Amino acid sequence: DAGVIQSPRHEVTEMGQEVTLRCKPISGHNSLFWYRQTMMRGLELLIYFNNNVPIDDSGMPEDRFSAKMPNASFSTLKIQPSEPRDSAVYFCASHDKGYSNQPQHFGDGTRLSIL
Amino acid sequence: QKEVEQNSGPLSVPEGAIASLNCTYSDRGSQSFFWYRQYSGKSPELIMSIYSNGDKEDGRFTAQLNKASQYVSLLIRDSQPSDSATYLCVVGEAGNMLTFGGGTRLMVKP
Repeated sequence: DAGVIQSPRHEVTEMGQEVTLRCKPISGHNSLFWYRQTMMRGLELLIYFNNNVPIDDSGMPEDRFSAKMPNASFSTLKIQPSEPRDSAVYFCASHDKGYSNQPQHFGDGTRLSIL
Repeated sequence: QKEVEQNSGPLSVPEGAIASLNCTYSDRGSQSFFWYRQYSGKSPELIMSIYSNGDKEDGRFTAQLNKASQYVSLLIRDSQPSDSATYLCVVGEAGNMLTFGGGTRLMVKP
């Protein structure tokens, strides 16, 4: 059974460029989460979706960040324009909302470097 | 603001010893608790979950929960160098959300 799939694994780009991160959740999971991890701040929840609908985006740092989930098998996190302080590892995780108290499953992450 | 507190470490133990990792949480109503392990450069992976007071054992791992004290711990018996990683204490909240501790870095020395 395939896990959460994220792409790209690594992204290096210059500041000001648009960055799009992609995530395919585990089939059948109806909750999807985007996290950012840095040494200074640890793991931070950016936004999460239930049944493709954004529920809580209070963790999104600023308007430069946006996330979409057009269908149950795909989500994107976009940064436009990107800045060096956005450099971090971005994780996507999914969960089956029908099974409360069960853990989230994480993808391998996208390591983003903004020069 | 719900908080999960862990000592950042590093916690250094010799190979074969017991490693004890501790965590406190602020929300008294929390019902689910997890320990995730994260190797450097990798994603967090679930190693233990616990929902009721007491101990839960799985191989070399034992999770302990004391809701009255709002305290969770993870014991690793017969520690191996391959156990060297950051261990994240995670508390489940309403709406399937998780609150992560900052993690404790464990180093097991051969």
